[in-house]
Amino acid sequence: QQQVKQSPQSLIVQKGGIPIINCAYENTAFDYFPWYQQFPGKGPALLIAIRPDVSEKKEGRFTISFNKSAKQFSLHIMDSQPGDSATYFCAASSSGTYKYIFGTGTRLKVLA
Amino acid sequence: KAGVTQTPRYLIKTRGQQVTLSCSPISGHRSVSWYQQTPGQGLQFLFEYFSETQRNKGNFPGRFSGRQFSNSRSEMNVSTLELGDSALYLCASSLVGTFEAFFGQGTRLTVV
Repeated sequence: QQQVKQSPQSLIVQKGGIPIINCAYENTAFDYFPWYQQFPGKGPALLIAIRPDVSEKKEGRFTISFNKSAKQFSLHIMDSQPGDSATYFCAASSSGTYKYIFGTGTRLKVLA
Repeated sequence: KAGVTQTPRYLIKTRGQQVTLSCSPISGHRSVSWYQQTPGQGLQFLFEYFSETQRNKGNFPGRFSGRQFSNSRSEMNVSTLELGDSALYLCASSLVGTFEAFFGQGTRLTVV
């Protein structure tokens, strides 16, 4: 019940494409869902996050869609660029704690 | 504003030794969490500290321990190192009252 399932494991898109990464969770106590971007040799960087009271959030080229009833959320990257090539992690946590449960990661490659 | 600082960046230890890793959070952040990142297990939560108290602990053996000082700096210790402890150890700091966690670049521990 503590798991966060992330798919796909890897993704290759052309420049300008819209990669979509999906995550699903079971624990209904989760109420904070961040996405992190990680480049090789670096720590994860917070990209965007959502709480269950909204169904969509946009920040620049990054959009989170959230489906509370399905217990699923996804990351869309608009107009993807080669510089977006990185590993993306979804995560979930409950209020009052910074104990994040992470998905297994998606390795994205954007071709020039 | 300086980010989360982890020292050392790289470490090589021998099986059976112990190691101490250090984390300085972002100024004003009083919550610190630790994670282990490996290719096989992904990002796994180790522990979370706030005001020098451990608030949460992950499913790791007692060889893994941590502490937080009055200035919010944190250390984690791994005793009796095993080959499987080779990993990137990440520290994240958070401003209490917010949901976000900001990661450092990590300490790459190699056990030989």
